Amino acid sequence: NAGVTQTPKFRVLKTGQSMTLLCAQDMNHEYMYWYRQDPGMGLRLIHYSVGEGTTAKGEVPDGYNVSRLKKQNFLLGLESAAPSQTSVYFCASTSAGQTYEQYFGPGTRLTVT
Amino acid sequence: AQSVAQPEDQVNVAEGNPLTVKCTYSVSGNPYLFWYVQYPNRGLQFLLKYITGDNLVKGSYGFEAEFNKSQTSFHLKKPSALVSDSALYFCAVRVGSSNTGKLIFGQGTTLQVKP
Repeated sequence: NAGVTQTPKFRVLKTGQSMTLLCAQDMNHEYMYWYRQDPGMGLRLIHYSVGEGTTAKGEVPDGYNVSRLKKQNFLLGLESAAPSQTSVYFCASTSAGQTYEQYFGPGTRLTVT
Repeated sequence: AQSVAQPEDQVNVAEGNPLTVKCTYSVSGNPYLFWYVQYPNRGLQFLLKYITGDNLVKGSYGFEAEFNKSQTSFHLKKPSALVSDSALYFCAVRVGSSNTGKLIFGQGTTLQVKP
């Protein structure tokens, strides 16, 4: 099993450009999450999904959109990137039957200039 | 408001000495508590959890954590630190209803183990 994978690993955008980050998991998990990690601030939840076709806002959703068209994939979109979105983005997933530990992907480092 | 705090940005310890990384929480109801570790340029890895039962929880790599309800704390401990334990450690607590699995994380504590 690959677990949770994220694509791409690194990306540099100019202000105003758009992009999509892809998260994929092969553990048949129902719940998936997108976080951003900034120095000294821990991980903050952007959006999450409790099942295919459903998404919900987390703590810091502004400037991001998500979609969960397939159970194994969770996409995070930036429509018009801003320098404040420079961060490391992590995807995670967990099983609905035991919503305890989350499994994390390796992260995507995004720089917006 | 529900929250979790890690009062120390960095903990320094000599190899072979015991280590403690502190975590306090504020949640309504019974807390579900977690510790994760992050090595450089990697994602977070689950270390251990407290759901219910024995207040001393054992996890991966020889780590353990003690749940103290009266002090609302969940400190991470290890009897003998290794240089390879050097990493960023996060405490987390489950929030919201059980049908979302959401966690909130502390700001992280960098553990530096020196030879």
